[in-house]
Amino acid sequence: DGGITQSPKYLFRKEGQNVTLSCEQNLNHDAMYWYRQDPGQGLRLIYYSQIVNDFQKGDIAEGYSVSREKKESFPLTVTSAQKNPTAFYLCASSTQDRVGAFFGQGTRLTVV
Amino acid sequence: AQSVTQPDIHITVSEGASLELRCNYSYGATPYLFWYVQSPGQGLQLLLKYFSGDTLVQGIKGFEAEFKRSQSSFNLRKPSVHWSDAAEYFCAVGSTTDSWGKFQFGAGTQVVVTP
Repeated sequence: DGGITQSPKYLFRKEGQNVTLSCEQNLNHDAMYWYRQDPGQGLRLIYYSQIVNDFQKGDIAEGYSVSREKKESFPLTVTSAQKNPTAFYLCASSTQDRVGAFFGQGTRLTVV
Repeated sequence: AQSVTQPDIHITVSEGASLELRCNYSYGATPYLFWYVQSPGQGLQLLLKYFSGDTLVQGIKGFEAEFKRSQSSFNLRKPSVHWSDAAEYFCAVGSTTDSWGKFQFGAGTQVVVTP
């Protein structure tokens, strides 16, 4: 079945450590996105990529980094510069037509 | 700049009763509008979308939404709620000139269904 796979589902890290969240899609979508979800704030866009080897900052890119070396993969690194990294992270993908975006099941990151 | 407001943070509804979730948006042109649903600890599932044409849009799970340009609204409705509809609902506005999955989301409305 086609879909978006995020791993791991839960992730715990110590403060000051970088951590990388995985996102893989087999939908053959060109564009991929990372959103952060905090209670009561909806979802906010971190980074997005419309083609391989190209990506753009979203609204809250500070303290995060991404890469897009393959069409299927869009990993997100939460760096030690991110002041408040504990959150639920959602990856999404879309085609270039008007069908909206498909979301993965999310990764809950807890930094202690 | 785009923005989305969901005025109701939390709604409690009895099973079998009707449900309406409000969404107001701010956008400079005709927006692309979406409703997504999220069960606890899960990703988002697309309920319905509006791009153009008929202002009453039908979605999955018996939901519908009506686009009202004059009121800048895109309210979601369901005539008869089931216990499985308990979830968080997000309204989103998409860019007409940028990447198709680039959204501004509302803060969400939590729906609780009572017996």
